[in-house]
Amino acid sequence: KQEVTQIPAALSVPEGENLVLNCSFTDSAIYNLQWFRQDPGKGLTSLLLIQSSQREQTSGRLNASLDKSSGRSTLYIAASQPGDSATYLCAVYSSNTGKLIFGQGTTLQVKP
Amino acid sequence: DAGVIQSPRHEVTEMGQEVTLRCKPISGHNSLFWYRQTMMRGLELLIYFNNNVPIDDSGMPEDRFSAKMPNASFSTLKIQPSEPRDSAVYFCASFLAGLSGANVLTFGAGSRLTVL
Repeated sequence: KQEVTQIPAALSVPEGENLVLNCSFTDSAIYNLQWFRQDPGKGLTSLLLIQSSQREQTSGRLNASLDKSSGRSTLYIAASQPGDSATYLCAVYSSNTGKLIFGQGTTLQVKP
Repeated sequence: DAGVIQSPRHEVTEMGQEVTLRCKPISGHNSLFWYRQTMMRGLELLIYFNNNVPIDDSGMPEDRFSAKMPNASFSTLKIQPSEPRDSAVYFCASFLAGLSGANVLTFGAGSRLTVL
């Protein structure tokens, strides 16, 4: 059974810091891994998708990496801004089951 | 495309009443997922469909929950009878499943259910 874990559960940093969010999964048989952002009371917005054959994806100040063999992904946010404050979730698309399983999320607060 | 469309956005009902949540996936997407989100349990996968066929409903909490997808452009999630512990935000999401794994999962805005 695929399990997805995100550490830390919450993070507070001053504006301008670079930071890393972690996601680990137990079954390496995946099609892809996605990072999402969720603002309070809102739906989920896709940030980055890494296919199983890829090792990283970049979008602006965001960089996501994938190491399938170790079951880990990281989301790197450069030069954080107060507008980055949100909950970040990773989701793994399992090739064995066809399910997309989410981690519990990391709630980020960037202080001005 | 207007994205994944869910209705209603908010529903408040009394315990014992039937609740029906609706979802219209993105045109051309062949997979549809229903998730439930609560503070305590996070995002839980309830059921997913591939080409309108339910593939895995092991996440459906009880027999009170049922989901249908009569065609590629419409799905419902029904709770009968509803209970206060069913209060949550229910999300529908769709994407185009394929072996390339290149396709993004797109979420609707969610239906916030409160059962009194």
